[in-house]
Amino acid sequence: AQRVTQPEKLLSVFKGAPVELKCNYSYSGSPELFWYVQYSRQRLQLLLRHISRESIKGFTADLNKGETSFHLKKPFAQEEDSAMYYCALSARGGYQKVTFGTGTKLQVIP
Amino acid sequence: DVKVTQSSRYLVKRTGEKVFLECVQDMDHENMFWYRQDPGLGLRLIYFSYDVKMKEKGDIPEGYSVSREKKERFSLILESASTNQTSMYLCASSDNRGGLPQGTYEQYFGPGTRLTVT
Repeated sequence: AQRVTQPEKLLSVFKGAPVELKCNYSYSGSPELFWYVQYSRQRLQLLLRHISRESIKGFTADLNKGETSFHLKKPFAQEEDSAMYYCALSARGGYQKVTFGTGTKLQVIP
Repeated sequence: DVKVTQSSRYLVKRTGEKVFLECVQDMDHENMFWYRQDPGLGLRLIYFSYDVKMKEKGDIPEGYSVSREKKERFSLILESASTNQTSMYLCASSDNRGGLPQGTYEQYFGPGTRLTVT
């Protein structure tokens, strides 16, 4: 079974402070991990995914198989980063069934 | 630019009614999905389809059914709506071509349908 855990429902940080949104997963096979973001009044969209190894809007995420984590990080938070963030997992090589976490609301305080 | 559209943004139905939620994508994607989004519970997969007329149950299929008669359209059906089905429903689609391993493709989401069952 696939499981994604995001322990924080709400994370508040000041503008310019570092951000770390936590994501832990449980999956016995080869996982593919994603971060999706939903800004206010916008549709859910992909922020970044492990296979691309890229930085988007200053965010990065590293897959740590030993700790089964895929935490999202940004060195300096900006007000426009305020949004709902979802970590997601799918089975590499399998159907595109994706399991989402419960989400973390990031609030950047000016 | 991928477009996923949903037939209604807001819908109010009575308990016991049959409800149809429609989703259309215009990028020839193989895979389509229906989720419900609830505060504190995140997104939960109801059903998905990886081909026309093919469907697979997700994590919470009870009380729902789906139909995919054409590649671009995926319908979610609530046979007899109940108040606990009040939720935001999100449709998504994804490709499975392009040389990447299966399971690694981005999902494209529709704007959502907020369904209220009274």
